Parts: sequence; C-alpha cells; structure tokens
Amino acid sequence: KAGVTQTPRYLIKTRGQQVTLSCSPISGHRSVSWYQQTPGQGLQFLFEYFSETQRNKGNFPGRFSGRQFSNSRSEMNVSTLELGDSALYLCASSVRGYEQYFGPGTRLTVT
Amino acid sequence: DAKTTQPPSMDCAEGRAANLPCNHSTISGNEYVYWYRQIHSQGPQYIIHGLKNNETNEMASLIITEDRKSSTLILPHATLRDTAVYYCIVRVDRGSTLGRLYFGRGTQLTVWP
Repeated sequence: KAGVTQTPRYLIKTRGQQVTLSCSPISGHRSVSWYQQTPGQGLQFLFEYFSETQRNKGNFPGRFSGRQFSNSRSEMNVSTLELGDSALYLCASSVRGYEQYFGPGTRLTVT
Repeated sequence: DAKTTQPPSMDCAEGRAANLPCNHSTISGNEYVYWYRQIHSQGPQYIIHGLKNNETNEMASLIITEDRKSSTLILPHATLRDTAVYYCIVRVDRGSTLGRLYFGRGTQLTVWP
C-alpha cells in the first residue's frame, strides 16, 4: 500500500507571498492532520480534516488554512508568509484519527 | 499540551534492548499511551499504543505500570537504524480529540555500534 505523499518536498518563498501544500493520504484513510515542525517549537498541531470537515484546529493564526477534498486529499495554505513560517510541514493520515501515518514533509523556507 | 515526561537523551549498544521510560502521572482512565519515533529529517512513525495492558508488535513492546502513571517502550534488539527521537503521547481516543497529537520534546535515542 502506498504511503502518505506530500508535494512539493522543498519550497522557497518570499515574505508576503502565499503557499499551498498538498497531501495525499493512504488509500482508505479519511482523516488528514497537519503539523508544523520547527527547531524552537517542535512538532505543533495545525488542524485535522475528516470527511471534508475540519474537526480539530490548533493554535495558529488565520493565515493558516486548509481543506480536504472528496477523495480525502488535503491542501493547506499559508497566506502572507512570514520568516517564522519557515518549517517542515508534515501531514498524517489515518482511518479515523487513531494511529497516524506521516508523510515525508514539505520543507518551506521563507526569505 | 504534552502531559508526559521523558529523558532528553539515552544511549544503547547495538543488539541490546533499549528501554525508553515515560512518566504520565496525571493520566486519566480513558487516556491511551502512544509512542512515535522520528528519524532525522523524516516524518514521525507510529510504533505502538496501549490503554492498560502490555502490548507487543513487530517493532516494540509497551509496558504500562499497574497504576498507569508510567510506561516503558522496549526495542528488544536495537539496531543503528533505531537511532531517532522517540515521543510518548497520551490522549483520549474520542471524536473531539482524534487526529490531534501533542508532541513533547521526546527522547533522543542513540544506538552505537
């Protein structure tokens, strides 16, 4: 069974721009969660989607948003990028939210 | 918030058992203990989870004390590829919390030859 895939793997953006990251979950998984990982803050939960509905949301500003499509694929968007948004963005999929299986991440660098 | 306490680092010789402790003294009766690990620059990997009984799978064993205030993850025969940060997480498995994991700082396990 194919694992979780994330695209792109690496991205460089400029302050003020916006970015969209994509996550394709494991086939049959309906829950997709997003996390941000930085050296200073560690792994932090952004939000989770289940059956196209946002079920949980972490403590991030409204510039961070996401959505999930009917095929369970998910995207997250960050608008008005700041230097502090430089991070590894990870998505994880699961059948209903129990054991989560993580993708390799997207490394975002904001300059 | 992470409600667990783990040592920041541990070492283990290759081929020996690695025993990673986790304290969760405020765990409530319906909270599960989950373990994940993250090898450098990769996404975290699910290892095992349990409620109160000891659990074993192909990767590891999870020993939970009778009072559930602490647990130990055991890698029976550690290899160099087990070098990673190991995260112990407790959470309630119900609709409002599913899909959300709180990661602390974890334990950096280094396996040496």
